Order: sequence, then structure tokens, then C-alpha cells
Amino acid sequence: GQQLNQSPQSMFIQEGEDVSMNCTSSSIFNTWLWYKQDPGEGPVLLIALYKAGELTSNGRLTAQFGITRKDSFLNISASIPSDVGIYFCAGPVSGGFKTIFGAGTRLFVKA
Amino acid sequence: NAGVTQTPKFRILKIGQSMTLQCTQDMNHNYMYWYRQDPGMGLKLIYYSVGAGITDKGEVPNGYNVSRSTTEDFPLRLELAAPSQTSVYFCASSPRTGVIQETQYFGPGTRLLVL
Repeated sequence: GQQLNQSPQSMFIQEGEDVSMNCTSSSIFNTWLWYKQDPGEGPVLLIALYKAGELTSNGRLTAQFGITRKDSFLNISASIPSDVGIYFCAGPVSGGFKTIFGAGTRLFVKA
Repeated sequence: NAGVTQTPKFRILKIGQSMTLQCTQDMNHNYMYWYRQDPGMGLKLIYYSVGAGITDKGEVPNGYNVSRSTTEDFPLRLELAAPSQTSVYFCASSPRTGVIQETQYFGPGTRLLVL
């Protein structure tokens, strides 16, 4: 079945650094979603992308819909301690009734 | 709005016991989902529902059952608990309308340990 591969698996960075992570698939997606899961909580949607090549920002976060429609990227600028958590990429499948999630990128920020 | 609520927050079960994980949403969403998240892993879909009375299997349905008698409630039933079902369970709902149709709203999770 369809699968989303996220890299890196985890990142340990210093406060103030920029962060980049990506998500790839062997299948084409028409929508890419990025969620963040704070420790001990459920995921929350950060950014949704609908068009190949689209670049969308949400504060210090910027996400891009890859032009091949098989990948997406998330960048965080000037990281802060509250950026700690797991970042998931996700994409709707099966006519949009279901969404599959990547395994996540775990971000650790040292103050 | 309370959003999506889940009970209990944490539970320890013995092998072979059964239990029901409760999920309620007060946003009048038609779509509801159950996921499990194993340590260091992503979210795997167990079951989903597109409306009251309609449910369907996800990726990992074995060992679980669901029902959807009302729009608000979507309980997940474990009949014979096994150690492999130790996980964190998340319920989510989606309106499937609006600006971002695919948005899913997640509950805080139920942490289940089977010993």
C-alpha cells in the first residue's frame, strides 16, 4: 500500500537553529498535510498544501509541496524550546476517506 | 467546545481481559477515526466511520471492534487483550467540509498497557 517516508527520524538542535525535514512517497499525493504532536498530546494540524510547487507559511514554519507531487518539505526557522515534539507528514488516500501518516521526525531543541 | 474527549487516560489490562475505549466529539463531525501509535512509530489507522451506522476497517483492525450509533460517540472495543495491543490510542474527528477539509482533530489519547 501507499507509504510515507520521513527523514530524518530525529534531530537534536540548538535553540535558534533552522530545521529542515522531508517526506517522500512512491505514489502521487494531491494534498500534503503537516501535523505536530507535543509530548503527551494528540497531533495538531500545522499546514495543508494543495498544489504542486505551493509554498505555505505559518509563523516560523514553511512547507512546500514538491513539484513531482511525491514529496513535501517542512522548514522551521529560529527554533525555540517549544518546537520540541514529533512532526508528521500525512496525505489523504482512498478518495479522501482515510489519511496515512509518516513515522514522524522527532525534534529535540536544547536551550 | 470540548473538542474530542477520550476516556480513560491510562489503563493496565491483563492478557485476555476486555475493555472499551470511549471517544466523544461535540463538533458534529461526520468522520471519526481510531489510530494506534506504538513507541517511536507513526499513527496506524484501526477503524474509521463516515457517519452514524457506518464503519470500515483501516490498516490494523484485527483484535478490535467499533460501533457508531450516534454522531458524537465512536467507542473502540478490545475483546481479548494481548501484549501486542500495548500502545497509545488516539481518536480523531473531521468535518470534511470547510477551508481545510482534511483536517483531523485529535483527542489526548488513551495509554494502554497489557501485561
